[in-house]
Amino acid sequence: ETGVTQTPRHLVMGMTNKKSLKCEQHLGHNAMYWYKQSAKKPLELMFVYSLEERVENNSVPSRFSPECPNSSHLFLHLHTLQPEDSALYLCASSRDSGGNYEQYFGPGTRLTVT
Amino acid sequence: AQSVTQLDSHVSVSEGTPVLLRCNYSSSYSPSLFWYVQHPNKGLQLLLKYTSAATLVKGINGFEAEFKKSETSFHLTKPSAHMSDAAEYFCVVSENNQGGKLIFGQGTELSVKP
Repeated sequence: ETGVTQTPRHLVMGMTNKKSLKCEQHLGHNAMYWYKQSAKKPLELMFVYSLEERVENNSVPSRFSPECPNSSHLFLHLHTLQPEDSALYLCASSRDSGGNYEQYFGPGTRLTVT
Repeated sequence: AQSVTQLDSHVSVSEGTPVLLRCNYSSSYSPSLFWYVQHPNKGLQLLLKYTSAATLVKGINGFEAEFKKSETSFHLTKPSAHMSDAAEYFCVVSENNQGGKLIFGQGTELSVKP
């Protein structure tokens, strides 16, 4: 285990539902990240938080709403998703948000939008 | 701008034979380079990283990679493949002035035949 946990591991939701993904890191890191991994595509960075402040938002649609209440927890709130949003959502953390710090990944949440 | 290209989408080797996964990068500044591995239905695990120290980097599970600035390459090797090495491998570049943003290659799927 990497010290980064994600719940739930699998989620099926309709387009009108509202759900949240949760990520928790037990590494004492200051930076946390959300990535989207779709089939046959490179990982896409969605959001970066450093010391609970959002420092990057990569043109992600507003139907994805992140929340970072403290440096150990990160949420991704989902509402009115589209079928093309079905993917593996990965959370990661690193000591700080500088480019030379390795990121530690959670196991991911497999999301299916019906 | 930084980018990373993994030259093979799929590599197949026999157990006990060497592994070579190729990666070329493009970077305007001094890059950090990483290799991550992803087993089916799991998150990404760091294999090794290069951050301007020794050009030959040793990682976990017998993998190593050599940073060659003149060739802008960071190929991953292992002398002898094991069945458990079958997975997806990602080459990743990060520039130290880009606030933790990792750029992922498209991945190389490694198959190991008995």
